[in-house]
Amino acid sequence: GAVVSQHPSRVICKSGTSVKIECRSLDFQATTMFWYRQFPKQSLMLMATSNEGSKATYEQGVEKDKFLINHASLTLSTLTVTSAHPEDSSFYICSARVGLDQPQHFGDGTRLSIL
Amino acid sequence: AQKVTQAQTEISVVEKEDVTLDCVYETRDTTYYLFWYKQPPSGELVFLIRRNSFDEQNEISGRYSWNFQKSTSSFNFTITASQVVDSAVYFCALSGGSNYKLTFGKGTLLTVNP
Repeated sequence: GAVVSQHPSRVICKSGTSVKIECRSLDFQATTMFWYRQFPKQSLMLMATSNEGSKATYEQGVEKDKFLINHASLTLSTLTVTSAHPEDSSFYICSARVGLDQPQHFGDGTRLSIL
Repeated sequence: AQKVTQAQTEISVVEKEDVTLDCVYETRDTTYYLFWYKQPPSGELVFLIRRNSFDEQNEISGRYSWNFQKSTSSFNFTITASQVVDSAVYFCALSGGSNYKLTFGKGTLLTVNP
């Protein structure tokens, strides 16, 4: 149980393109979903927290107009990297949890490469 | 503020050796959770264990064991008789506070050589 599906697993696109990444909880309803970014050989950095039906809460230093997060249902959150540039190239991972003190379940991540 | 420190950046061992990965944490919360995750080269995060702050009992799962000591704010992870498939980056993480966000350590790259 507690499976989180993240798509696509890899994206390669040209600079200026907007890229959408989906995160779905397959067998549970996620009250909260999280988006992380990981640069090579570094740790996971939380970008934002999203609760179903409300605006995402972004961590300090994360541009909300650059990284659009939508959490329209209890099983789906999307991250859109708008007008992506090479510096946005990274590994993006989502997670979902059922309740406040419940563990987060992670997707398999999306490798984004902007040429 | 929460903080997780994994002082060992990289560890290299030979197969069948035992290896301990250190994790020290800081938090002002009385209720919190500690985690270990494994991240193989493919990138996905594999959940290994979750421990709450009120349960200091050590845990063993096959070749894996965890030692939680509140007195030293440590949550160390030992792999017994390491195998090549154990090669990965291991992250220690902490969640607590009003929203239970996860704070990750910087990770330890474990390389097990044949």
